[in-house]
Amino acid sequence: TQLLEQSPQFLSIQEGENLTVYCNSSSVFSSLQWYRQEPGEGPVLLVTVVTGGEVKKLKRLTFQFGDARKDSSLHITAAQPGDTGLYLCAGEAGGTSYGKLTFGQGTILTVHP
Amino acid sequence: GAGVSQSPSNKVTEKGKDVELRCDPISGHTALYWYRQSLGQGLEFLIYFQGNSAPDKSGLPSDRFSAERTGGSVSTLTIQRTQQEDSAVYLCASSHLIGAGELFFGEGSRLTVL
Repeated sequence: TQLLEQSPQFLSIQEGENLTVYCNSSSVFSSLQWYRQEPGEGPVLLVTVVTGGEVKKLKRLTFQFGDARKDSSLHITAAQPGDTGLYLCAGEAGGTSYGKLTFGQGTILTVHP
Repeated sequence: GAGVSQSPSNKVTEKGKDVELRCDPISGHTALYWYRQSLGQGLEFLIYFQGNSAPDKSGLPSDRFSAERTGGSVSTLTIQRTQQEDSAVYLCASSHLIGAGELFFGEGSRLTVL
């Protein structure tokens, strides 16, 4: 069973601060995705990374996939109240687990004005 | 429809009753997933379909849970003899691609077992 550990579980910061969310595993993933979920809605995809060492930027969000494809991070610069939500990483291990996305337990981010 | 549609959006049932949750995926999406989410937590994989077949049922918590998909479209998740620990939001997602493809989620069905 592939497990993804996210940290921190909760993050409460002031507008304008920077933050990083981590997603770690002892398993190798063929791809890793980050989703954001707001209350009462389903998760929405932010990014997919597939290559070890890959870095992707989405406005103030920077995503990195570890060289060994076992970990990933999400960095938000100058957080805004609109960034508040539940952030989830999800990995696809491939092989016999092809097609099955394993999700981390999530990071609840609150950005105060 | 434009997105993944799930029904009912809310279901309150008594312990021991059976419930059916329905998912209508995005038209043309061959992959369909069911996940379960407890309050503010991550998603627990239940089952996924490629077309009408389910290559991986390993996430179903017990034999009280079953799912089917017909016509490569609508899927139904059935929970028999519901227990209080079954209370959660059941999320359905569909994808055009298996694997690294984007999952499009519905808004979920919130199940409360009294």
